[in-house]
Amino acid sequence: KQEVTQIPAALSVPEGENLVLNCSFTDSAIYNLQWFRQDPGKGLTSLLLIQSSQREQTSGRLNASLDKSSGRSTLYIAASQPGDSATYLCAPAGGTSYGKLTFGQGTILTVHP
Amino acid sequence: NAGVMQNPRHLVRRRGQEARLRCSPMKGHSHVYWYRQLPEEGLKFMVYLQKENIIDESGMPKERFSAEFPKEGPSILRIQQVVRGDSAAYFCASSGGLNTEAFFGQGTRLTVV
Repeated sequence: KQEVTQIPAALSVPEGENLVLNCSFTDSAIYNLQWFRQDPGKGLTSLLLIQSSQREQTSGRLNASLDKSSGRSTLYIAASQPGDSATYLCAPAGGTSYGKLTFGQGTILTVHP
Repeated sequence: NAGVMQNPRHLVRRRGQEARLRCSPMKGHSHVYWYRQLPEEGLKFMVYLQKENIIDESGMPKERFSAEFPKEGPSILRIQQVVRGDSAAYFCASSGGLNTEAFFGQGTRLTVV
């Protein structure tokens, strides 16, 4: 059974800082891993998808890395902005969990001006 | 290209009534997933469907819950005889295949009174 842990649980930083959000998972036999953001009371917005064969993926100020063998992924956010404030969720897909996503508890990020 | 559409956005039901939640996947997507987010908890997988087939229902409660994805029309998550513990946000996601990016709807927030 896949289990996902995200560290830290919460993070509060001033605007402009570079951030690191960590995700670890127990079943390394995954197809891919997605990072999402969730704003309060809203749905999930997909940020990045990393295939199991990839080491990293970039989109704008976001960069996600994947070390499948050790069961870890990291989301880097450069030059953080107040608009980045949200809950960030890591979700590996596949492996013994077939096609479904397994979510961690998330990292609650607050970026203050 | 419209995203994943869920309706209703908010649903209030009295204990014992039935709740029907609808999900129209993104155009061209044939894989649908339902997730539940209980208050103060993470997202939990419920069921994975392809057209007319249930692929994985390992996250579905044994009683009162059912899901379908007919050949024509949206996917339906049905909860019979709702209880207060069913109050949660229910999210639908769709993808074009096992190894592709999943996109989420805005969710249906069910309140049982």
